[in-house]
Parts: sequence; C-alpha cells; structure tokens
Amino acid sequence: GDSVTQKEGLVTLTEGLPVMLNCTYQTIYSNAFLFWYVHYLNESPRLLLKSSTDNKRTEHQGFHATLHKSSSSFHLQKSSAQLSDSALYYCALSEGNSNNRIFFGDGTQLVVKP
Amino acid sequence: DAGVTQTPRHEVAEKGQTIILKCEPVSGHNDLFWYRQTKIQGLELLSYFRSKSLMEDGGAFKDRFKAEMLNSSFSTLKIQPTEPKDSAVYLCASRLTGGNTLYFGAGTRLSVL
Repeated sequence: GDSVTQKEGLVTLTEGLPVMLNCTYQTIYSNAFLFWYVHYLNESPRLLLKSSTDNKRTEHQGFHATLHKSSSSFHLQKSSAQLSDSALYYCALSEGNSNNRIFFGDGTQLVVKP
Repeated sequence: DAGVTQTPRHEVAEKGQTIILKCEPVSGHNDLFWYRQTKIQGLELLSYFRSKSLMEDGGAFKDRFKAEMLNSSFSTLKIQPTEPKDSAVYLCASRLTGGNTLYFGAGTRLSVL
C-alpha cells in the first residue's frame, strides 16, 4: 500500500546552517501529489510545498523541494535555517485518483538554535 | 473567508465520559478528515468523508470513536467512553473534492484524567 517515510524524528541545528528533511514514499499511482505541511506551535498545520511533477523544483518561503520519482523522494531543503523555522514538518502523499486518500509521514520536529 | 473551525479548543474529561468534538469545514469543501496527533504516533487518520459518505476510517479507532457528517458543513467526533490514552490533539481538515491541498483547523486539545 501507499506510505510515506520520514526517517528523522528530530533535527536540531544552528541558525544559518542548511536544512534538509528527508521524505521517501511508496505509491502505485503515477498522478500522486507530494506535500510538505508545517505545523508551528499554537497554529494550524498548513501547506508549505506541493508537487506532482517529476524533477521540477518547487519553492515557497525560502524552502524548496524536488520530486524525484526515480528515487521516490521529496526532500525539503533550505539554504540557511532561521530561528522561526522551528516547527513540526510533515511529508504527505495523496493518491491523485478518484478516492484521493492521503498518507502522512510521522513528522520531523525541526529545532533551530541560536 | 472562514477556514476550518474546530470547537472546543480545549477539553478536559474524566475517564469513562463521553465527549463530542465539532468541526466546520471550509465552505464548499466536500472532503473532511479527522486526525489524532500525538508526538509518538504523529498524525493518525480517524475518518475521511466525502459529501457525507464515509470513504475511509482508521481501523484501530472503530471501537470507541465515531465521526459523523451531520450535513455538508458540520461534523462531529464522539469518543465514548474516553480513556487516558486518548489524550491528544484532534485535528479536522477539509479539501475540495478533486483538489489536493488540505486545510486544517486549529485542533482540539483533549486531556483525559
């Protein structure tokens, strides 16, 4: 069945260093969408990035990700972490078919320290 | 535009009580999801509705959890009876049918004593 894997439960890094959060997935659906949702403390989770296009970089708010279907990956990156990036990040997949079920990874808590 | 509205924001229950959480999706969204969020398990699907029809439920939650779409703009999640292990944040999300982006509510933080 479909699944999403986020290997890192917690990532701690120093402000100014690059960020990379890993996401790999399994699906049989060629039209699947991949997403990154971000959940800041005391706010609602919200969409950060999404893509269904192979090998195309998508960017938002300084973050970027590229869907690589060959390796089933959709890693989230940022060149320089800011304190305000501290949050819980979820990678997710939607099947892109008529049922369009959604599958979430376990989430990665990003902590950025001064 | 109103987003997803969840009430109450916080709920404290005694073990064995019945609690009802409420959710109003974004107007016009026909897909509605209930999730339980914990640090250990992450986001766990409780129910997925499309136009009031149940599309998918989280098998592990059938026993004491019941979600309903009373109409296209209102859903409830009943937990009966509550147990301390149910302490978590319960998130509701909605989506346009045929769309792909989920819109989340702020969640209900449930504490069961």
